[in-house]
Amino acid sequence: EIVMTQSPATLSVSPGERATLSCRASQSVGSNLAWYQQRPGQTPRLLIFDASTRATGIPARFSGSGSGTDFTLTISSLQSEDFAVYYCQHYNNWPPTWTFGQGTKVEIK
Amino acid sequence: QVQLQQWGAGLWKPSETLSLTCAVYGGPFSGYYWSWIRQPPGKGLEWIGQINHSGSTNYNPSLKTRVTMSVDTSKNQISLNLTSVTAADTAVYYCVRHSRGGEYFQDWGQGTLVTVSS
Repeated sequence: EIVMTQSPATLSVSPGERATLSCRASQSVGSNLAWYQQRPGQTPRLLIFDASTRATGIPARFSGSGSGTDFTLTISSLQSEDFAVYYCQHYNNWPPTWTFGQGTKVEIK
Repeated sequence: QVQLQQWGAGLWKPSETLSLTCAVYGGPFSGYYWSWIRQPPGKGLEWIGQINHSGSTNYNPSLKTRVTMSVDTSKNQISLNLTSVTAADTAVYYCVRHSRGGEYFQDWGQGTLVTVSS
């Protein structure tokens, strides 16, 4: 079973600053990784898939990088609507299972 | 734009079988994977299980013995049954459509808060 570990648990950032979130897999997952944003009281939203491809309608300030076991989500200049919880997620081919990290909360500093 | 409308009772007693249904509107049903995902209050996301239009399923190993998912293609609906519920099953349950390739979760239902309490 592949375990996804996110860090930090909470990230305090001022508006306009850069935020860097980490996701580490317990074994190599190639580029098979997604990031989701969940604003308070809302459903999760797909931000990034295949480690670095922005989903439709996602602003360019969101970027993903990494492969293998270490992945990063970067928000280049935090806007008020970006304060949320972010989850990484991996799909394992066999047996087919989908696994989330435990989340990183980005809060206003 | 696909819409996922889900429903089911919000309060269940311990040991009962939780049952939820999700209807798909405005988009194709076949050719996609469909999953249930849950989120306990204040906690993270947990994948419960996945089904396709032909009824083929995969379940989270940690829940496998208690989960059954089914599909009704005549109504474009998927259903979730979770047996022997306890307070630990209290969560918001989401019906979700996967991306075209199946690896990711693209479209989410509104969520149903399920509480297990005597």
